[in-house]
Amino acid sequence: DVHLVESGGALVKPGGSLRLSCAASGFAFTEAWMSWVRQPPGKGLEWVARIKRETHGGTADYGAAVKGRFTISRDDSTNTLYLQLDNVKPEDTAVYYCTTLVALRFPASWGQGTLVTVSS
Amino acid sequence: QSVLTQTPSASGTPGQRVILSCSGGRSNIGWNTVNWYQQVPGAAPKLIIHTTDQRPSGVPDRFSGSKSGTSGSLIISGLQSEDEADYYCAAWDDSLNGVIFGGGTKLTVL
Repeated sequence: DVHLVESGGALVKPGGSLRLSCAASGFAFTEAWMSWVRQPPGKGLEWVARIKRETHGGTADYGAAVKGRFTISRDDSTNTLYLQLDNVKPEDTAVYYCTTLVALRFPASWGQGTLVTVSS
Repeated sequence: QSVLTQTPSASGTPGQRVILSCSGGRSNIGWNTVNWYQQVPGAAPKLIIHTTDQRPSGVPDRFSGSKSGTSGSLIISGLQSEDEADYYCAAWDDSLNGVIFGGGTKLTVL
């Protein structure tokens, strides 16, 4: 079974940085395209970023709200997905979910999420 | 404001057939598939329909999906109490080059 465990969520000040991790198991991580999706407390879902498998270039796509501030990356040697958050803003406060993808685009399996709170 | 529009709330009684709608545009639903997620309070979302009408393994067959033009639909046939949840639609947007979600519909089983 697919198992995704996020970690790294914390309280961070505006303008600060944070790195989220997602430990993946139960599937062929090196062959998977992966993504991050976030959900502000009490609100809807927002797509954050997607990263291709290394043999497909390993490149990334980002949502408009985070482009230039967040960086998605992966370490296939440890089956770990990362999300680096820089210059965070209060509106980045959300639960961040790590997901596998179906059809190379859409979140399929989800982790339990990790909460990032941006506040002074 | 979401690019995909969903009715904020809907309700039905057990056994009833319920249809949730998702309205978009040419650059998203018009040219791409629709996907649906179910989220019960306190849990992560769960994919219940992908590629407009495909059910992942383990999803009950009372859930089905369809698309017409720039709108998608999630049909729940034979509503059950455990279907009470938030439902989100999603589609790829060619203009934004990313996934967009609807604002969600809160489904209540009366």
